[in-house]
Amino acid sequence: EIVLTQSPGTLSLSPGERATLSCRASQSVSSSYLAWYQQKPGQAPRLLIYGASTRATGIPDRFSGSGSGTDFTLTISRLEPEDFAVYYCQLYGSSLWTFGQGTKVEIK
Amino acid sequence: QVQLVESGGGVVQPGRSLRLSCAASGFTFSNHGMHWVRQAPGKGLEWVAVIYFDGSKQHYVDSVKGRFTISRDNSRNTLYLQMNSLRAEDTAVYYCARDFDSSGYFLFDYWGQGTLVTVSS
Repeated sequence: EIVLTQSPGTLSLSPGERATLSCRASQSVSSSYLAWYQQKPGQAPRLLIYGASTRATGIPDRFSGSGSGTDFTLTISRLEPEDFAVYYCQLYGSSLWTFGQGTKVEIK
Repeated sequence: QVQLVESGGGVVQPGRSLRLSCAASGFTFSNHGMHWVRQAPGKGLEWVAVIYFDGSKQHYVDSVKGRFTISRDNSRNTLYLQMNSLRAEDTAVYYCARDFDSSGYFLFDYWGQGTLVTVSS
């Protein structure tokens, strides 16, 4: 079983700052199968990134994903007020799938 | 636009049953695998069950095997989750989610707004 560990647990930043979120897998995974979701309070998750770096439909280009092997990163280049939320990474594919525990991005 | 609307949640006593529904619109429902994903209060996301595009296969997380049944009616564009022998630990918001693929690819590209199930005496 592959475990995804996200860090930090909470990130306190101000609007306009850059956010860097980490997702580490317990063993090497194909970057083709790493996704990121955003969840705002009281709302459903929304797909942001899949294939480690491909933005989903309608996602602004301030969101970017990168990484390979065991280390993946979600970067928000300049935080907008609506970006303060919880972010989950997820491994997907027909044979194995799992979510990370989430990183909360809060207003400093 | 793609819409997924869940219904059927509520408060139920331990050991009782509940059936959730998810009405889909804005896409060809019969072309996509569909999932239920849940989130306990203040916790992270937990995948619960998947059904392939044609209903031919279903898979479940171990904790609900033998108690929950996922099904679909492609003529009605509706996904279901029959939950029996409910336990306190099943308390969560239940989301239906569309699979990017026709089977179980587990990439959730659209989600419903969720329906809350509370199991309590």
